[in-house]
Amino acid sequence: DSGVTQTPKHLITATGQRVTLRCSPRSGDLSVYWYQQSLDQGLQFLIQYYNGEERAKGNILERFSAQQFPDLHSELNLSSLELGDSALYFCASSVGDRYQPQHFGDGTRLSIL
Amino acid sequence: DQQVKQNSPSLSVQEGRISILNCDYTNSMFDYFLWYKKYPAEGPTFLISISSIKDKNEDGRFTVFLNKSAKHLSLHIVPSQPGDSAVYFCAATFSGSARQLTFGSGTQLTVLP
Repeated sequence: DSGVTQTPKHLITATGQRVTLRCSPRSGDLSVYWYQQSLDQGLQFLIQYYNGEERAKGNILERFSAQQFPDLHSELNLSSLELGDSALYFCASSVGDRYQPQHFGDGTRLSIL
Repeated sequence: DQQVKQNSPSLSVQEGRISILNCDYTNSMFDYFLWYKKYPAEGPTFLISISSIKDKNEDGRFTVFLNKSAKHLSLHIVPSQPGDSAVYFCAATFSGSARQLTFGSGTQLTVLP
């Protein structure tokens, strides 16, 4: 158990819809990272928050957004969903942003029908 | 452009023998490298890391070697156990990237009893 909690584990929805994925980091971790794992792209970095502030953006679509709340949990919002958004979405957390490993949750599997 | 490459999609090893997983990178700015293990339906689990100021780091049965001049790192597992069967991901990051991880495509390790 990494200590990182992601909900829900599975989401099935339709094209055009909007979903919210939730992540609770390990106790004491200030950084939260979101990654997408799709069959053809592997694990790709989406966005990072540190203590409530956005720190870095990767290959995140404009239809996607995220935030980190004062209690340090984070949400990833995906809107106007397309078939190609079907993937595993992982959240990871770390204490800070230096030489420290990131610890991953078990992911949310999003299926778009 | 794949900045982190794992050229072997799969590797089979006999129980008790050494497993060697390889990873190459192209970005000379990377200064921190990590190995993760992933079982189906779970998130990546952190195994071991190494910073660029070292060339070796050991943790129990796991040793990571870094050859900066060749931009190559390897993970040695000795002795290999059936429970080590999983997908292994190499990842890299650098200080100017807010520590986002760039992952390789993974190597499926199968340890045969």
